[in-house]
Amino acid sequence: GAGVSQSPSNKVTEKGKDVELRCDPISGHTALYWYRQSLGQGLEFLIYFQGNSAPDKSGLPSDRFSAERTGGSVSTLTIQRTQQEDSAVYLCASSLPGEVIGEKLFFGSGTQLSVL
Amino acid sequence: AQKITQTQPGMFVQEKEAVTLDCTYDTSDPSYGLFWYKQPSSGEMIFLIYQGSYDQQNATEGRYSLNFQKARKSANLVISASQLGDSAMYFCAMREGLSNSGGSNYKLTFGKGTLLTVNP
Repeated sequence: GAGVSQSPSNKVTEKGKDVELRCDPISGHTALYWYRQSLGQGLEFLIYFQGNSAPDKSGLPSDRFSAERTGGSVSTLTIQRTQQEDSAVYLCASSLPGEVIGEKLFFGSGTQLSVL
Repeated sequence: AQKITQTQPGMFVQEKEAVTLDCTYDTSDPSYGLFWYKQPSSGEMIFLIYQGSYDQQNATEGRYSLNFQKARKSANLVISASQLGDSAMYFCAMREGLSNSGGSNYKLTFGKGTLLTVNP
């Protein structure tokens, strides 16, 4: 596809369940980012991948959150034992190798996660 | 301290008028980049404009321009001739720290955004 693709677009789950969110970056983009956007808030950085490795996981809010990337392409963000405070829009972005300060990020439309 | 501050939670402008959205930033790094993104109700973040800390000229992209005042650490977005389709959230963001000696940085830090409403 031409842009960053995220699925599902909406996810409703019950508290305590695990969820997986998927991101398919733009072809050729080796840098991939996950951000979280809570209602009325800015974007909170979660994790960054360069290829399949994640040099910075500092933004993951707890050990219930994990992410992986395979084949230098698709990434999955997993939230275990979801809590109501996990409800947010999860945005994925990709860019060419993120080592140029002016490199812009291309975002997907996000996954709206609602934890009941 | 917040790295990016957007003090206007909401702004209103009449169609065809110009509007300025404020952004101040905080960094001690001499090398940084400033970005503006637009987020319409569909949710996707759309890149608008970029300004590097060493750029001598203010960045412009069509109806968008960036009023970069380095000493004041401000990077305000100016939208000229507002259109109804400009109604959206606008986010200012910064990437710090790419020195000439290398050492890449990758993370964009975002402000909380400004909701712009363009009235007909």
